[in-house]
Amino acid sequence: NAGVTQTPKFRVLKTGQSMTLLCAQDMNHEYMYWYRQDPGMGLRLIHYSVGEGTTAKGEVPDGYNVSRLKKQNFLLGLESAAPSQTSVYFCASSYKTGVNLYEQYFGPGTRLTVT
Amino acid sequence: RKEVEQDPGPFNVPEGATVAFNCTYSNSASQSFFWYRQDCRKEPKLLMSVYSSGNEDGRFTAQLNRASQYISLLIRDSKLSDSATYLCAVKKSSGDKLTFGTGTRLAVRP
Repeated sequence: NAGVTQTPKFRVLKTGQSMTLLCAQDMNHEYMYWYRQDPGMGLRLIHYSVGEGTTAKGEVPDGYNVSRLKKQNFLLGLESAAPSQTSVYFCASSYKTGVNLYEQYFGPGTRLTVT
Repeated sequence: RKEVEQDPGPFNVPEGATVAFNCTYSNSASQSFFWYRQDCRKEPKLLMSVYSSGNEDGRFTAQLNRASQYISLLIRDSKLSDSATYLCAVKKSSGDKLTFGTGTRLAVRP
């Protein structure tokens, strides 16, 4: 099992450019999440999904869009990147039921710099 | 007040020391609690869940104090490899999300 994988690992964008971050998990998890992590701010939830075809806003959704067309994939889009979106982005997934409910498994992160 | 608060540290301790971190939460209806470990430039990894009765995993002990609304993590016989940032995470009674603290940094010195 690869667990949770993220593509790309690093990216530099110019202000106004767009990009999509891909998250994939092979654990058959129902729930998937996108976080950003900034110094002193901790992990902040951007968007999340409780199942294929569903998405919901988290704490800091502005400037981002997401899609979950397949259960194993969760995409995060930046339509017009801004320097304030410079951050480390983590994807996570978790089970919906069972003993391990809500224990989240994280991908290795994407380091994004917007100049 | 933040939903979940942690002392950022750093806690600098010698090898073999016992160290404890606390994490306070503001929502009394919170129902699930976790400790994550994050190494520098790596992703967070689940260290342990926190159960109402307290739980232990080797050198690590987690406890929940609902009356005072905090969880704690105790590390005994600290190793150099314990150096990391420890994040607490809390789930409210409703909803599907975890709220993370900003983390407490631990540095274990030889």
